[in-house]
Amino acid sequence: EAGVTQFPSHSVIEKGQTVTLRCDPISGHDNLYWYRRVMGKEIKFLLHFVKESKQDESGMPNNRFLAERTGGTYSTLKVQPAELEDSGVYFCASSQRTGVTEAFFGQGTRLTVV
Amino acid sequence: AQSVTQLGSHVSVSEGALVLLRCNYSSSVPPYLFWYVQYPNQGLQLLLKYTSAATLVKGINGFEAEFKKSETSFHLTKPSAHMSDAAEYFCAVRNAGNMLTFGGGTRLMVKP
Repeated sequence: EAGVTQFPSHSVIEKGQTVTLRCDPISGHDNLYWYRRVMGKEIKFLLHFVKESKQDESGMPNNRFLAERTGGTYSTLKVQPAELEDSGVYFCASSQRTGVTEAFFGQGTRLTVV
Repeated sequence: AQSVTQLGSHVSVSEGALVLLRCNYSSSVPPYLFWYVQYPNQGLQLLLKYTSAATLVKGINGFEAEFKKSETSFHLTKPSAHMSDAAEYFCAVRNAGNMLTFGGGTRLMVKP
């Protein structure tokens, strides 16, 4: 069974540019989460999808970040325009159902804004 | 709101020595607690989880953690460190909204 897959693994962009991160959850997992770790800080929650609906987006930093999950399958996280402080590792996780089921994490996308 | 504190951002042990990684949590409700590990160039992998059953939880790779409500702790231990245990370890608590709140992480170094 394939795990959670994230693309790209690394991205280096200039300030002001747009970047789109993609996450493919484990097949059949309704719950999809985005997290971010800024260098030297803890991993922080960004948002939670249940199927195609945003369940909780309280962790999104500002309106430069837009997350979508079309059809309840893969998800994208777009940053437009990117700022220097957006640099960090973006993790995606999925779980089969809400509750204390294990959340499976992807390898993360390392975003560097220069 | 729940929070997690991991004492020590870096821990160094000798191969064969006891591993102890500390985690304290704050929660207004009975917590669900997790330890994740991140090996170099890999994603987060679940080591173990506490879900209000047994207070001593056994995980993968010989790790275990004990939930102590009186101390609000969930420390991770392993009797004998291996070189392959070198990684970053994260303690996390599940919030009411089902997302995880993580501690700052502890990087474990194992010396030969």
